[in-house]
Amino acid sequence: GAVVSQHPSRVICKSGTSVKIECRSLDFQATTMFWYRQFPKQSLMLMATSNEGSKATYEQGVEKDKFLINHASLTLSTLTVTSAHPEDSSFYICSARGAGFGNTIYFGEGSWLTVV
Amino acid sequence: GQQVMQIPQYQHVQEGEDFTTYCNSSTTLSNIQWYKQRPGGHPVFLIQLVKSGEVKKQKRLTFQFGEAKKNSSLHITATQTTDVGTYFCAGGGWDTDKLIFGTGTRLQVFP
Repeated sequence: GAVVSQHPSRVICKSGTSVKIECRSLDFQATTMFWYRQFPKQSLMLMATSNEGSKATYEQGVEKDKFLINHASLTLSTLTVTSAHPEDSSFYICSARGAGFGNTIYFGEGSWLTVV
Repeated sequence: GQQVMQIPQYQHVQEGEDFTTYCNSSTTLSNIQWYKQRPGGHPVFLIQLVKSGEVKKQKRLTFQFGEAKKNSSLHITATQTTDVGTYFCAGGGWDTDKLIFGTGTRLQVFP
């Protein structure tokens, strides 16, 4: 089956620094990737949709200058949290949908970000 | 904006009892998907429903999509401890490939 890999799975960074999270589709080409954040015991909130080779589309209320998304290839999308603050601490999850898989979306394992 | 609500928020059941979670969207959906997330894990795709009134079964799990394509349900027969987790529905819109996740139902099964 399709596999989506996220890295790192856990990261701790200091307040004010930036951290990059990678999302890779391992056995299929992902034309569209989605980034979510999830606070403990809450639902997944869609942050942005990224399409290969074009700018990401951000959801209302998500700061595009703070959460930089790059989908430079059909197998890789990155989320960079810039100037991180403790309130950015969360579980970030990517998902990917490939052209050959219809509408089925596969999720990465998620990345726990802790900003201290 | 579009909202997808689930009830109940949380349910305890004794092993062997049945469980149902209900999903309601504020707008008509093109499709509905269901995911299971174990504690500390990531969402895992369970199923997708597309047709109005569609019913699909996976062993002890029965999924239903409402006639108006605004609601859905997941029913688990004779729960097992392995069913523990949070079940999310996620609705797909007509003019977008985004999924909007429901609020989730956390299931706890006691042996």
